[in-house]
Amino acid sequence: NAGVTQTPKFRVLKTGQSMTLLCAQDMNHEYMYWYRQDPGMGLRLIHYSVGEGTTAKGEVPDGYNVSRLKKQNFLLGLESAAPSQTSVYFCASSYGQVPYNEQFFGPGTRLTVL
Amino acid sequence: RKEVEQDPGPFNVPEGATVAFNCTYSNSASQSFFWYRQDCRKEPKLLMSVYSSGNEDGRFTAQLNRASQYISLLIRDSKLSDSATYLCVVRPRMNRDDKIIFGKGTRLHILP
Repeated sequence: NAGVTQTPKFRVLKTGQSMTLLCAQDMNHEYMYWYRQDPGMGLRLIHYSVGEGTTAKGEVPDGYNVSRLKKQNFLLGLESAAPSQTSVYFCASSYGQVPYNEQFFGPGTRLTVL
Repeated sequence: RKEVEQDPGPFNVPEGATVAFNCTYSNSASQSFFWYRQDCRKEPKLLMSVYSSGNEDGRFTAQLNRASQYISLLIRDSKLSDSATYLCVVRPRMNRDDKIIFGKGTRLHILP
């Protein structure tokens, strides 16, 4: 059981470049989330999904898009990266609704936008 | 007042000591409360839930004070391995959006 995995672990982009972060979970969880964590800030929810084929906006969705084509995968896309998107990105999943169900986090992706 | 506030620390505590820190929340209708632990450059992991009646798990005790709108985490007989950042998590209201708020965390350093 790998739990929640994220690829890549590290990435450096130039302003204006695009990329996709992949999150995968093997726990058959319905809910998946993307957060960003910046120094001195709490985790902030970008987008989330309550099931395959569904996505919803979180607290800070601007500049990001997501897709949940398969239940086990949740992709986060940056179409035109900006330095303000330099952050650590965490994916999480849960069997059901939070907070009634525990969220399990992936190891994070450290993204730097130059 | 921010929705969830924590003293960022760091709290520097000698090994074996008892340490406690609080997390205040602004919405009196908040329903659910948790403590997460995050090691340096790692992902957050659930430490414990905070129930109205309090919750104890080994050396860790979590309590809720609704009147003053804060939750607390007490660590007894602290170990070097307790060094981490402790994140407070609050569900601010009972509605359908299932939103939860993470505090910015309190850094704890246990000194040998």
